Amino acid sequence: AQSVTQLGSHVSVSEGALVLLRCNYSSSVPPYLFWYVQYPNQGLQLLLKYTTGATLVKGINGFEAEFKKSETSFHLTKPSAHMSDAAEYFCAVSAAYSGAGSYQLTFGKGTKLSVIP
Amino acid sequence: GAGVSQSPSNKVTEKGKDVELRCDPISGHTALYWYRQSLGQGLEFLIYFQGNSAPDKSGLPSDRFSAERTGGSVSTLTIQRTQQEDSAVYLCASSLARSGIGYEQYFGPGTRLTVT
Repeated sequence: AQSVTQLGSHVSVSEGALVLLRCNYSSSVPPYLFWYVQYPNQGLQLLLKYTTGATLVKGINGFEAEFKKSETSFHLTKPSAHMSDAAEYFCAVSAAYSGAGSYQLTFGKGTKLSVIP
Repeated sequence: GAGVSQSPSNKVTEKGKDVELRCDPISGHTALYWYRQSLGQGLEFLIYFQGNSAPDKSGLPSDRFSAERTGGSVSTLTIQRTQQEDSAVYLCASSLARSGIGYEQYFGPGTRLTVT
């Protein structure tokens, strides 16, 4: 079974400051990893994903994440926060093998990012 | 192109009534998923359709919940005899294939269900 832990249900940063949202996963084999963003009253939008290859993944809106197998982590970062980054962010995993239950996403509880002007 | 659409965007119903939620996936996407987002439980997988294969219903919380997908496209999630704990946002997603081989899931805006 897979699980995802997001540390911090709410993170506040000043505009222009570094954004760091933490995600750790638990899985018997390295899974595929995703970060989604949700703006108020909207669905989820994919920021970036890791499947195979380079462990540093770049996404949209200046975000990036690094897959660290030894730490079972996939933290999301952005060098300089913008007011428009205020939203809720979800880390998710799916199995990297075929078979029953391998296709669904398992989500973390989410981290609400506030950006202070 | 058009994204995943869901209707209605909001639904208020009385306890005990049945509701139907609709999802229109992205054209050409063979996989379709339903998730539920609630304050207490976060985002939970409900059901998965892939092409003409039998759906995976392992996430449905009770037999009051059912879903179908007609013609490999539009899907309807039905909740019978609604209870207050069914109040949540129901999200639909579609993908070219299962996300486990790198195809991301594209989400609709959701249907907010309130059971009074």
